[in-house]
Amino acid sequence: GQQVMQIPQYQHVQEGEDFTTYCNSSTTLSNIQWYKQRPGGHPVFLIQLVKSGEVKKQKRLTFQFGEAKKNSSLHITATQTTDVGTYFCAGLASGTYKYIFGTGTRLKVLA
Amino acid sequence: EAQVTQNPRYLITVTGKKLTVTCSQNMNHEYMSWYRQDPGLGLRQIYYSMNVEVTDKGDVPEGYKVSRKEKRNFPLILESPSPNQTSLYFCASSPTRAGGQSPVGYFGPGTRLTVT
Repeated sequence: GQQVMQIPQYQHVQEGEDFTTYCNSSTTLSNIQWYKQRPGGHPVFLIQLVKSGEVKKQKRLTFQFGEAKKNSSLHITATQTTDVGTYFCAGLASGTYKYIFGTGTRLKVLA
Repeated sequence: EAQVTQNPRYLITVTGKKLTVTCSQNMNHEYMSWYRQDPGLGLRQIYYSMNVEVTDKGDVPEGYKVSRKEKRNFPLILESPSPNQTSLYFCASSPTRAGGQSPVGYFGPGTRLTVT
């Protein structure tokens, strides 16, 4: 079946270091969304990427969608303690209305 | 305030006792869906609905039912809960556009269900 693999599963960084999480899909995606979930909270939408090769930035966050629309990445520059949480990607498989979530990357930032 | 609400937020029940988790959104969204979140497995889609009276299975529909009689409500029904349905459940909604691309997923606060 359709799968979206996300790595790494966990990441501990010192405050100020950069962080990257990657998503890889077994099938082509119509779009990909990124969410952040704080401990004890619910996923909160960050961004959606639709076009092949698309790059979007939100302050210290940079999102990329691969040329083949099967992979994506989220990069955080100079992490802060407020970045703590689990980051999920969610892909909409082409031709369907089903979202497949990655397993998430849990980020811890050490002050 | 735009929001997705779920009730109850916490529920402890016993095997076989039918239960319903309600989900309601006030954004007039067409698309609604249910997910369960388990450690190490991330979020898995249970059911989704494109609009009123239109529902379809996600990746893990076994043991669950849904209905979409009104646009704003999308209840999740467990006819005979079992311990393996102990999980954290999220309802989500989003608008749909031509081509089926849903730009934003709004999640409810979650329902933590324990089945003993």
